[in-house]
Amino acid sequence: EVQLVQSGAEVKKPGESLKISCETSGYNFPNYWIAWVRQIPGKGLEWMGSIYPGGSETRYSPPFQGQFTISDDRSVSTAYLQWNTLKASDTAMYYCARPLPYSPNAFDIWGQGTMVTVSS
Amino acid sequence: DIQMTQSPSTLSASVGDRVTITCRASQSIRHWLAWYQQKPGKAPKLLIYKASTLESGVPSRFSGSGSGTEFTLTINSLQPDDFATYYCQQYDGYSYTFGQGTKLEIK
Repeated sequence: EVQLVQSGAEVKKPGESLKISCETSGYNFPNYWIAWVRQIPGKGLEWMGSIYPGGSETRYSPPFQGQFTISDDRSVSTAYLQWNTLKASDTAMYYCARPLPYSPNAFDIWGQGTMVTVSS
Repeated sequence: DIQMTQSPSTLSASVGDRVTITCRASQSIRHWLAWYQQKPGKAPKLLIYKASTLESGVPSRFSGSGSGTEFTLTINSLQPDDFATYYCQQYDGYSYTFGQGTKLEIK
């Protein structure tokens, strides 16, 4: 069974750093892109960026460029989303998602989400 | 960037009704469109991809149509489990954009 399991909820202060994870299983990790999607409480879905572990290629949504880093570790089949300096506006639920074969494609597998709260 | 506009933002309907949600793209996306259902506190669930292909396990009362810039999601004979928020998403190229969502409420 294909699964994406995300790390747990985080509460941070503005200016702190954070790295959340998306551990995958049940498929060949290098062969599929992994996307990160943000959902601010009460708002819609926003694609932030994606990474292709097979080539470590990354693509970022222009509005989000420079605000965070997407990375992966093939040895543990895990993708990451990292911030160096969190802001209150980063408070949101973050989902990782895997597309159907032959990207770009719709996201058929989703993680359970990681809630990040940034507050002083 | 490609913008996606969904309408309506909110839709009130009753069990057994047929409803239609529309999604418009700011430029042609051919048939590279997906529909998702999201319930409170849950991750989105893929319903339809490539504009009209039903994802495995999704009930046949859901259907999608359209191409180019205009797309629709139709739900026939609404069931209680269908009341949720629905999003369209374009994936024409390695940049994805979601619509702003349509909340389907019980009338």
